[in-house]
Amino acid sequence: SAVISQKPSRDICQRGTSLTIQCQVDSQVTMMFWYRQQPGQSLTLIATANQGSEATYESGFVIDKFPISRPNLTFSTLTVSNMSPEDSSIYLCSDGPINYGYTFGSGTRLTVV
Amino acid sequence: AQSVAQPEDQVNVAEGNPLTVKCTYSVSGNPYLFWYVQYPNRGLQFLLKYITGDNLVKGSYGFEAEFNKSQTSFHLKKPSALVSDSALYFCAVRGRDDKIIFGKGTRLHILP
Repeated sequence: SAVISQKPSRDICQRGTSLTIQCQVDSQVTMMFWYRQQPGQSLTLIATANQGSEATYESGFVIDKFPISRPNLTFSTLTVSNMSPEDSSIYLCSDGPINYGYTFGSGTRLTVV
Repeated sequence: AQSVAQPEDQVNVAEGNPLTVKCTYSVSGNPYLFWYVQYPNRGLQFLLKYITGDNLVKGSYGFEAEFNKSQTSFHLKKPSALVSDSALYFCAVRGRDDKIIFGKGTRLHILP
């Protein structure tokens, strides 16, 4: 299975600023996904990122707030823009599916103050 | 629409006893089902998956899951629980466009 390096692992940010989260996969993958996990809750899909096309966002998530880049088949970034305390969450990326399995990054724990 | 349900927010089991974490699913077509575990301050770790084949699927760390089509269930099991198994467990199903849909999670407490 793939290995996904995600960084930063955690950050504390001031409201109104932006944070870019990076995910690097050790092999080429067609699809990458970005999730948000709010405190004490399950994972919610933010968007699907395919190389060479714009990301597809789920209901409730917009590109202006969560711009995503996918410059090649091994890398993707998610930016959380104009942050507010409500954006405090764990953000995770995943690949998939490869051999019907999905590998996740280790997550970014974001606290907005 | 595809969905999974984890009816228990928390499960408490004494160390050494068998454990079961419940999951039921609703899909159209053949289900692709997964179990993941999340330890504190860690990402999601893959435990096992069911795609096709034997109804009993063996996974990492001694876990297994039983696929039951008639009951639309995919319960996670382990014969003898360890304190180190204490974590948050997620059942998931592959949905439309290869997206993963997660259950709400079940917190497993193994009591020493």
